[in-house]
Amino acid sequence: AQKITQTQPGMFVQEKEAVTLDCTYDTSDQSYGLFWYKQPSSGEMIFLIYQGSYDEQNATEGRYSLNFQKARKSANLVISASQLGDSAMYFCAMSTTGANSKLTFGKGITLSVRP
Amino acid sequence: GAGVSQTPSNKVTEKGKYVELRCDPISGHTALYWYRQSLGQGPEFLIYFQGTGAADDSGLPNDRFFAVRPEGSVSTLKIQRTERGDSAVYLCASSYLPTSSTDVNNEQFFGPGTRLTVL
Repeated sequence: AQKITQTQPGMFVQEKEAVTLDCTYDTSDQSYGLFWYKQPSSGEMIFLIYQGSYDEQNATEGRYSLNFQKARKSANLVISASQLGDSAMYFCAMSTTGANSKLTFGKGITLSVRP
Repeated sequence: GAGVSQTPSNKVTEKGKYVELRCDPISGHTALYWYRQSLGQGPEFLIYFQGTGAADDSGLPNDRFFAVRPEGSVSTLKIQRTERGDSAVYLCASSYLPTSSTDVNNEQFFGPGTRLTVL
């Protein structure tokens, strides 16, 4: 079974600064994918970034980067140059191989960006 | 292009009633997922469709929950004899099928959800 752990309480960051959101995972699978999704107060889930377990380079997408440390089973999201619109819930999720790539989500982290 | 749509956006019902929640996936997406998100929690998997068939329904909490996807496109999640504990946001997502048995890059596109409230 897969498990995602997000234990940070609500996070606060000053506008234009960088922030790291923590995620640890547990799986017995050798091949898996890690995802981060953003959920604003409007409720939709927005895909941010993906990292495959065999990818040697850390994934980057614009202001988002994923700090993947396989041995520590962590997949932290780094948001650079925070913007007010980044205020939202952030979910870390995992998929595994096979015909069913259902996502297992963590509980999420609330990020508030201060002007 | 159009994203995943879900109707209704909000549904209020009374305990014991029957409800249907609809999901219209992105055109061309063969895989369709239902998740349930309780307040303050992350989404939890309910059921997965590969085309018309339910490939994995292991997340359905009990036999009051059922879902169909008769033509491989629109899906309906059906809840019988609703209970107050069923109150949650029900999310639908769609994606392309994995390209191989080792493909884990399964970016799922989510709909806006249906907020179900059982009084």
